[in-house]
This record gives sequence, C-alpha cells and structure tokens, in this order.
Amino acid sequence: QVQLVQSGSESKKPGASVKVSCKASGYIFTSYAMNWVRQAPGQGLEWMGWINTNTGNPTYAQGFTGRFVFSLDTSVRTAYLQISSLKAEDTAVYYCARRNSGSYSIDYWGQGTLVTVSS
Amino acid sequence: SYVLTQPPSVSVAPGQTARMTCGGNKIGSKSVHWYQQKPGQAPVLVVYDDSDRPSGIPERFSGSNSGNTATLTISRVEAGDEADYYCQVWDSSSVLKVFGGGTKLTVL
Repeated sequence: QVQLVQSGSESKKPGASVKVSCKASGYIFTSYAMNWVRQAPGQGLEWMGWINTNTGNPTYAQGFTGRFVFSLDTSVRTAYLQISSLKAEDTAVYYCARRNSGSYSIDYWGQGTLVTVSS
Repeated sequence: SYVLTQPPSVSVAPGQTARMTCGGNKIGSKSVHWYQQKPGQAPVLVVYDDSDRPSGIPERFSGSNSGNTATLTISRVEAGDEADYYCQVWDSSSVLKVFGGGTKLTVL
C-alpha cells in the first residue's frame, strides 16, 4: 500500500535551518509528483509547491521562494523540504503529499511534521 | 492569483444533507477537488475532478461544479463526518494549486 512517512517533530530557534524528510513506499516513486503543503496552527491548508520526481525540477508557490528548497534522493525514495533562516511564523505542520495520477488532486498525504520555531 | 471562497462553517443535524460551497471566478471551467480533515489528522481526498470519488469513500459524498460555484454534498450526515473540508483547484494561468480557506462542518 502507498505510504508517505515523514520525519519527526522539530524545535528550532529563529535563524536556524530545518530539513524535513518524506519517505515513500508502495509505488514507483518517480512516477508521481510530490507536493508540499503547510498548515499553521489553527489555520487552513496552504500549497507550497511541488517537485517533479522524475526530473527533480521544483515549482514554488508565491511566498515560498528563497528560503524553501525541495529536493529528492530517488535512491532511497525520499523527498525533502529544507527551510533556512527560520522565523516564528514558519511554525506549522508541513505535509508531503502525492499528486494523483491523471489529476491535479492529491491522493496520499504524509502524517505531517510539526516544525516549531521559538527562541 | 486565483481565489477560492468557502463559508467558515456549516451545521447540519444527523441524517440530513450537508452542502458546502466553494466559490471562484469561472470555477466551472476548472477541476475541483475536496479534502476532509479531522483534528490532528492529515487531510483525506473525498472527491476529485468535480465529482469522482476515490475508492473507499462512501457514496454519500458527491460533488458538482458549474458557473462560479462548486459544491460538496454529504447525504445522510453522520457524527463521524464532522471535520474541516477544503476545496482545491489547479490554476493553469499561474501554474499553481490553490486551496480554499476551509469549511468547518458541525454535526448537531
């Protein structure tokens, strides 16, 4: 069965960096794009962008350029989200989520990774 | 950028029908997807491409899309349907996914 397993919660100080991993199993990793979605505490879903798992080409939504980097290690079927120069407003749950084949919907989600930024 | 508007809340009694809307400019020309999110859990896709259901999603969940409004309908609402529901589209002009702000469904 398809599974996306994310790394555990992180607690960081402002200005630090964090790297969240998302390990996929149960399907051909390079056949499905991977999205990243942010959810701040008590807020809605915010699409951050996606990465083409075949070419490694990332696309970033407005507001997620510069400090946010999507990357892959296809040898271990894992996608990564790195955030640098962390700010308090980056405190959120970050989800990796697979694009549904033939649709722009998202059919499988990771369990989410809570990143807390606090001094 | 493209904006999707959802009412913040909808309330319905058990056994009744819940309808949640998602407004956007000419949204009828786009494919709309709906997600259910319960507290502390990841979202779950309940309807995609306006009206298709993933396997495992009850037939009680249905979708429609026309003009400037898409609608998620849940028939014979159960207590377990209480959740936040988000609509989402792909905006081809900006090459970006967009989520609505979400609707909290309360089962009275």
